[in-house]
Amino acid sequence: GAGVSQSPRYKVAKRGQDVALRCDPISGHVSLFWYQQALGQGPEFLTYFQNEAQLDKSGLPSDRFFAERPEGSVSTLKIQRTQQEDSAVYLCASSYRGTGNTIYFGEGSWLTVV
Amino acid sequence: AQSVAQPEDQVNVAEGNPLTVKCTYSVSGNPYLFWYVQYPNRGLQFLLKYITGDNLVKGSYGFEAEFNKSQTSFHLKKPSALVSDSALYFCAVRSYGQNFVFGPGTRLSVLP
Repeated sequence: GAGVSQSPRYKVAKRGQDVALRCDPISGHVSLFWYQQALGQGPEFLTYFQNEAQLDKSGLPSDRFFAERPEGSVSTLKIQRTQQEDSAVYLCASSYRGTGNTIYFGEGSWLTVV
Repeated sequence: AQSVAQPEDQVNVAEGNPLTVKCTYSVSGNPYLFWYVQYPNRGLQFLLKYITGDNLVKGSYGFEAEFNKSQTSFHLKKPSALVSDSALYFCAVRSYGQNFVFGPGTRLSVLP
């Protein structure tokens, strides 16, 4: 497809379980972003990649959160030992390189920790 | 540090009337300003952006926004609202070397 693809769309995890969320960016987009969005709130920055390099991970809330993009294309956000406060929508976005370029979002992965 | 404020949690407007959704920002350098819309259970969709040039920017679905440097504002407008415009709207700012920062969102309800 032509857009950013995220999977799974919905995930229910038991507290303490590990989860992995996948993002397939738009072809040719070197920049990739992960955001966390709580219900009815604005997206909060988690981390940013340029190609395979993770240039900013200042938004990751704890060391249970880990992101990678080993070949500069598909990215995975991993959450270890999930907690209830991790329940949120995880949005992936991608863009061409450059500050003025628009970032395009996927549909999001809805994570519910029970 | 960058920040975005959207002073109204909710905006109600009658169908056919003009709408305005407000946004103010704070950045240390030149701002790059964006508006996104989010429908229920969907990701964010790009509407329009200001990078440089004309202060009035036109975007998708008849929306436009006006960049006002002195007031550090970037309000979203539409001359005639549609019921289908009802959604959550987010303003975002970015400056060189910084990441996108999003506002808290404004819920627009267009009443038939």
